Amino acid sequence: AQKVTQAQTEISVVEKEDVTLDCVYETRDTTYYLFWYKQPPSGELVFLIRRNSFDEQNEISGRYSWNFQKSTSSFNFTITASQVVDSAVYFCALRGDNAGNMLTFGGGTRLMVKP
Amino acid sequence: DGGITQSPKYLFRKEGQNVTLSCEQNLNHDAMYWYRQDPGQGLRLIYYSQIVNDFQKGDIAEGYSVSREKKESFPLTVTSAQKNPTAFYLCASSITGVSYEQYFGPGTRLTVT
Repeated sequence: AQKVTQAQTEISVVEKEDVTLDCVYETRDTTYYLFWYKQPPSGELVFLIRRNSFDEQNEISGRYSWNFQKSTSSFNFTITASQVVDSAVYFCALRGDNAGNMLTFGGGTRLMVKP
Repeated sequence: DGGITQSPKYLFRKEGQNVTLSCEQNLNHDAMYWYRQDPGQGLRLIYYSQIVNDFQKGDIAEGYSVSREKKESFPLTVTSAQKNPTAFYLCASSITGVSYEQYFGPGTRLTVT
């Protein structure tokens, strides 16, 4: 079985602060894929990143960075110098190689960035 | 512009009525999915289809039905058997294969009273 845990249900920061969203996963598959999605108030999920289990390099995209650590089964997401437009619900998701097309989502973290 | 469309954005129905939610994609994706999202919760998979005329149940298929007669379309029917149908419904599509990300439509918020 697959499981994704986002322990932080809600985070509130002031603009320009850095913030890290935690994601811990469980899977028995040796090959798996991790994803982050952003859900703004409009409701549509926006794909942010995909990471496979055999590539532990951290990734940076502008103000966004992701830290993947297999040893702790974590795939954390950091926003540097947060902005009000970053306010949204962020979902971490997992798909194992033997899970077919089943994508397992965490419960989401609501990020509120205040001006 | 390529993407996924869902209509309508808001849908209201009386209890006991079946209702069909539409999902169309022009991304040429083989795989399509339906998810349900309840307030403050993550997404749960209802049904998915990897190819035309074939679909599989997800985690919460009871009270729902789907069809996949065309590659571009994957409508979801919420039947009167669904005990708690009020929710936000999201459709997604992807290239077939576990490594590929899913792309989502704007969602339909269904309210049943």
